[in-house]
Amino acid sequence: DTAVSQTPKYLVTQMGNDKSIKCEQNLGHDTMYWYKQDSKKFLKIMFSYNNKELIINETVPNRFSPKSPDKAHLNLHINSLELGDSAVYFCASSYTTGFTYEQYFGPGTRLTVT
Amino acid sequence: ILNVEQSPQSLHVQEGDSTNFTCSFPSSNFYALHWYRWETAKSPEALFVMTLNGDEKKKGRISATLNTKEGYSYLYIKGSQPEDSATYLCAFYQAGTALIFGKGTTLSVSS
Repeated sequence: DTAVSQTPKYLVTQMGNDKSIKCEQNLGHDTMYWYKQDSKKFLKIMFSYNNKELIINETVPNRFSPKSPDKAHLNLHINSLELGDSAVYFCASSYTTGFTYEQYFGPGTRLTVT
Repeated sequence: ILNVEQSPQSLHVQEGDSTNFTCSFPSSNFYALHWYRWETAKSPEALFVMTLNGDEKKKGRISATLNTKEGYSYLYIKGSQPEDSATYLCAFYQAGTALIFGKGTTLSVSS
């Protein structure tokens, strides 16, 4: 069984479109995250949710809107896609908040905006 | 701006060699230090999370140490094998911030 899954794995779209990436974890974790791997290969946190509640919102354009229907799911919706949004987006989960527990990462979604 | 520095950036060793990498981080308000292993085309996989100064963790041939007072952690791999080839990421958590990742050390082990 896949612990943290993301769909789709690849997403190619044009500038100005709206797209969503879905994430699900079956580990029973309380906290889920979205990370962006930028062009310099750094992993940077975007959002963190604990039991469906937003607890971390880093400096991310408001075109990015996470939604957590329940604690096992955290989806990422992106409006008006721009070229600079091209990146690999990773979902992750952990036992609880505070970053003192290991993160379990999904396989990543490679987003290409043309 | 909080920086997590990893060195070397890349490393090539022969099978059987032992090796180590360094992760440097700010020493103030320390909460946790993570190490992850990231194989090409896969997702990062947790190796260790350390929270106390002097912590030492071990998993098979891989071990890690932590010095929070001087702000560094070492990752050691004993007797490197080709399957150890990967990028090794460290990530630092300081009070009031989120988890901040370094750029990683890419290890290549040839047989």
